[in-house]
Amino acid sequence: QKEVEQDPGPLSVPEGAIVSLNCTYSNSAFQYFMWYRQYSRKGPELLMYTYSSGNKEDGRFTAQVDKSSKYISLFIRDSQPSDSATYLCAMSAVQTSGSRLTFGEGTQLTVNP
Amino acid sequence: KAGVTQTPRYLIKTRGQQVTLSCSPISGHRSVSWYQQTPGQGLQFLFEYFSETQRNKGNFPGRFSGRQFSNSRSEMNVSTLELGDSALYLCASSNTRNTGELFFGEGSRLTVL
Repeated sequence: QKEVEQDPGPLSVPEGAIVSLNCTYSNSAFQYFMWYRQYSRKGPELLMYTYSSGNKEDGRFTAQVDKSSKYISLFIRDSQPSDSATYLCAMSAVQTSGSRLTFGEGTQLTVNP
Repeated sequence: KAGVTQTPRYLIKTRGQQVTLSCSPISGHRSVSWYQQTPGQGLQFLFEYFSETQRNKGNFPGRFSGRQFSNSRSEMNVSTLELGDSALYLCASSNTRNTGELFFGEGSRLTVL
């Protein structure tokens, strides 16, 4: 079983919809939680970063972490065609792990005009 | 500020050959990490270098190796290539020691025939 599970989709929504992306994990040592966005033929780019449990909002994006359920979510409000990409959740354990992240498989999102 | 640069972008090799991939991090970034991305496994951590020292290593066979130079540029090498090594190899740099804020290059796509 993978440490991080993410539904690969694909997910297709109309423009303006609210998108919910989720990951579950099994390693209770994970403390840092990230969402990366990857456009086709590009490298991933950091979208959201949270530490421990709670919510974080940045414009149309909201990240939620529920450590008790080992569940993280990314919400995209008023989705746009430019949001069409693969969304990857990533996690990191204790501070000394440096740049060693454990990624989900990624969810492919298409926002249709 | 220039981003992370990876060369070559695309390459084709045959089984048994070896390959060297290069990565130039963002200026001032001292940490360079490498990831392998495949459709079935997603992004998997290969190794991380910080100030010319390998700080972390993933669960890959010894055929995968890397190094970092004094100017923070990094190379990774894969010897005795296998068909399963076909993947997108991503390099990421970071200026923050212990968080998941990575800046990825566009990757080197390796095809092994």
